Amino acid sequence: DTAVSQTPKYLVTQMGNDKSIKCEQNLGHDTMYWYKQDSKKFLKIMFSYNNKELIINETVPNRFSPKSPDKAHLNLHINSLELGDSAVYFCASSQKGAQGYTFGSGTRLTVV
Amino acid sequence: GEDVEQSLFLSVREGDSSVINCTYTDSSSTYLYWYKQEPGAGLQLLTYIFSNMDMKQDQRLTVLLNKKDKHLSLRIADTQTGDSAIYFCAESIIGDDKIIFGKGTRLHILP
Repeated sequence: DTAVSQTPKYLVTQMGNDKSIKCEQNLGHDTMYWYKQDSKKFLKIMFSYNNKELIINETVPNRFSPKSPDKAHLNLHINSLELGDSAVYFCASSQKGAQGYTFGSGTRLTVV
Repeated sequence: GEDVEQSLFLSVREGDSSVINCTYTDSSSTYLYWYKQEPGAGLQLLTYIFSNMDMKQDQRLTVLLNKKDKHLSLRIADTQTGDSAIYFCAESIIGDDKIIFGKGTRLHILP
């Protein structure tokens, strides 16, 4: 059983389109995250949700909207995709009192 | 502000020890982490150390923390080809809910 699963694994789309990436964790963790990894492999946090509540919203364009229907799911919707949105997006989860995050295997988004 | 710095590349011969270094700026860090990312994969937590410790050993991995200098290192003994990956240093901050990652050190193993 995959602990943190993201779909799709690969996403190729045209500029201007709207797309969603889904994330689910079966670890019972309270907190979920989205990170963006650029072409140089640099990782930046985008959002964090704790029990469906938005905790962290770093300086991310309004075109990015996370949605957490329940604490096991955190989806990322992106409107009006731009070339610069091409990256690998990682979902992660964590539990208070435990150390570190558990990461999904990433979604490689390519905007053409 | 929060910042984690590490060199971007390291080449090591197979069988030698690899030492990956990292510096961080926030003195209120609680935990410091090492993550490994293999090509095309997500990040895997390798080990972590609480900021009041100075050393942790786990099989081939040794983590050293110099809190005064805000310096963290990861030593991999007897480096193997399977150790080839990007290694991320990261810190979590007291009262904050996020982990800050360094830019990653790409470890290349020479035959």
